[in-house]
Amino acid sequence: DAEITQSPRHKITETGRQVTLACHQTWNHNNMFWYRQDLGHGLRLIHYSYGVQDTNKGEVSDGYSVSRSNTEDLPLTLESAASSQTSVYFCASSDAGARFFGPGTRLTVL
Amino acid sequence: GENVEQHPSTLSVQEGDSAVIKCTYSDSASNYFPWYKQELGKRPQLIIDIRSNVGEKKDQRIAVTLNKTAKHFSLHITETQPEDSAVYFCAASTGYGGSQGNLIFGKGTKLSVKP
Repeated sequence: DAEITQSPRHKITETGRQVTLACHQTWNHNNMFWYRQDLGHGLRLIHYSYGVQDTNKGEVSDGYSVSRSNTEDLPLTLESAASSQTSVYFCASSDAGARFFGPGTRLTVL
Repeated sequence: GENVEQHPSTLSVQEGDSAVIKCTYSDSASNYFPWYKQELGKRPQLIIDIRSNVGEKKDQRIAVTLNKTAKHFSLHITETQPEDSAVYFCAASTGYGGSQGNLIFGKGTKLSVKP
């Protein structure tokens, strides 16, 4: 069955380190998104992509980057992790409208 | 930009009662309104969605209504069951019927259904 996966599911890192979170979908969706979820803020968009080589900034993009070299993957990189980036990160993809979320990655920055 | 307000933030009902969650949005160009259910430690899952050319949509015990004039939409759950307990998020989008564009989420409603 087609699905969307994220790895790792849990990550602990130190301030200043570079971290990359992986997202992989097998639906062949063109549109992919990264969100972070924090208590009191709901889900906020970090970056998104409408296809290969296309990337766009969302509402909370500072300190994050993405690249899209193929349809299936949209890795999220934290260039220099900060404690404020401790959060749960969800990847999502969409095609005809509905967005489907991955299982999430819980990131802790110490 | 779009702003989505969701109320109430917590809702407790007895099993079998109905639950209603309301959201308002600010951008009159928004045309896609999904609702997501998120159980503790799990991913948000789409439970129902509605587009701006439809006023109401039902799926078994779940229904969503949209009032474009007032810019608000609501989720109705009838005959609630304990497994309905979760956090529910509304969202609004202006881009290509939801497949693109920024999907702006409300802050969520924690629904508790007491047996």
